[in-house]
Amino acid sequence: DIQMTQSPSLLSASVGDRVTLSCKASQSIYNSLAWYQQKLGEAPKLLIYDANSLQTGIPSRFSGSGSGTDYTLTISSLQPEDVATYFCQKYYSGWTFGGGTKLELK
Amino acid sequence: EVQLVESGGGLVQPGRSLKLSCAASGFTFSNYGMAWVRQAPTKGLEWVATISYDGSSTYYRDSVKGRFTISRDNAKSTLYLQMDSLRSEDTATYYCARQGLDHYFDYWGQGVMVTVSS
Repeated sequence: DIQMTQSPSLLSASVGDRVTLSCKASQSIYNSLAWYQQKLGEAPKLLIYDANSLQTGIPSRFSGSGSGTDYTLTISSLQPEDVATYFCQKYYSGWTFGGGTKLELK
Repeated sequence: EVQLVESGGGLVQPGRSLKLSCAASGFTFSNYGMAWVRQAPTKGLEWVATISYDGSSTYYRDSVKGRFTISRDNAKSTLYLQMDSLRSEDTATYYCARQGLDHYFDYWGQGVMVTVSS
């Protein structure tokens, strides 16, 4: 089975910072990667699919990149409303989520 | 507007059964695969099961195979999850999710809590 590992598990940053979250697959997942944002007490929301495609309605400060086994979610300028836990998910050869990165304000 | 509304959760004893429903609206239900995803308290997301747009194919995570059954009624735009032989480790919030063309989850319901305890 392909494992998904996210780092860091906890990230503290200031408003306006450029923030980078990492997701690593145990083998190539051929860009079949999505990123989700989950705010406290809410359902997850799709941000990015196919590694770098922005879901409709998601602010352009969110972007995804990567290929093969290594993927990144970048928030270009952190806003207070971005405080949440972020999960990556592969959908190549089944569906597996990473353990999540909790993003908080410094 | 796409809406997914889960129901049927609650407190159940170990070994008993529970059936979750997810009512869909705002899109052509019969055109999309659907899935159940769960989240144990304070834990991460865990895919549970997927069903194809027409119900002909189903997929399960190993820990629920033989105990859970995913199904759908396209005439009623409703997704189901029959959960049998429930265990304490099945305690979680269960979300239904629509699967986009490439099988990522593009819309999610608000979730329903299932607690397995004596």
